[in-house]
Amino acid sequence: GDSVTQMEGPVTLSEEAFLTINCTYTATGYPSLFWYVQYPGEGLQLLLKATKADDKGSNKGFEATYRKETTSFHLEKGSVQVSDSAVYFCALSDQDNDMRFGAGTRLTVKP
Amino acid sequence: EPEVTQTPSHQVTQMGQEVILRCVPISNHLYFYWYRQILGQKVEFLVSFYNNEISEKSEIFDDQFSVERPDGSNFTLKIRSTKLEDSAMYFCASRTVYEQYFGPGTRLTVT
Repeated sequence: GDSVTQMEGPVTLSEEAFLTINCTYTATGYPSLFWYVQYPGEGLQLLLKATKADDKGSNKGFEATYRKETTSFHLEKGSVQVSDSAVYFCALSDQDNDMRFGAGTRLTVKP
Repeated sequence: EPEVTQTPSHQVTQMGQEVILRCVPISNHLYFYWYRQILGQKVEFLVSFYNNEISEKSEIFDDQFSVERPDGSNFTLKIRSTKLEDSAMYFCASRTVYEQYFGPGTRLTVT
């Protein structure tokens, strides 16, 4: 079945460092891809999405490009802030629109 | 902006008791979901619901679980006889064409 594999954490960075969290997927069709963020004690918030190949999703300085040839949707940010500390989940939604999540990557940004 | 709401935010129950978790999806959405996140683990799909019936369910969603849309606005998840391992955060979601909107979650603690 469809699945998502993302980089295991935790990831610890200094403020203003460059962030990459890898995500690859397996799907039989053409899924939509998402990154969700979960701040401590809160629910899931959609960070960005891409619905077809070569689309780039972006929000709050984060970007991810839907790469069909490498079945990837890596999350990047050029300069992280302490407030970016959270758990990041890569997810896909197939034609039935059931969401499949990766295991989550905990990011800690230190001042 | 419309949002998915869930009540209660935290539910504590004794093992063997029945619990009902409530969700109010976004009003013009037609597809509804429940997900579960055991503390520190990935978000897992439980069930999807469309046109007043279950459209898909995972292996987690056994006979102890049921869902209902009793009145056209609420969407409930019932666990008939809770077990310790049911302790988790439960997220409700509803969707448009591509994107699922998640509620803030209900933390269920089974003692």
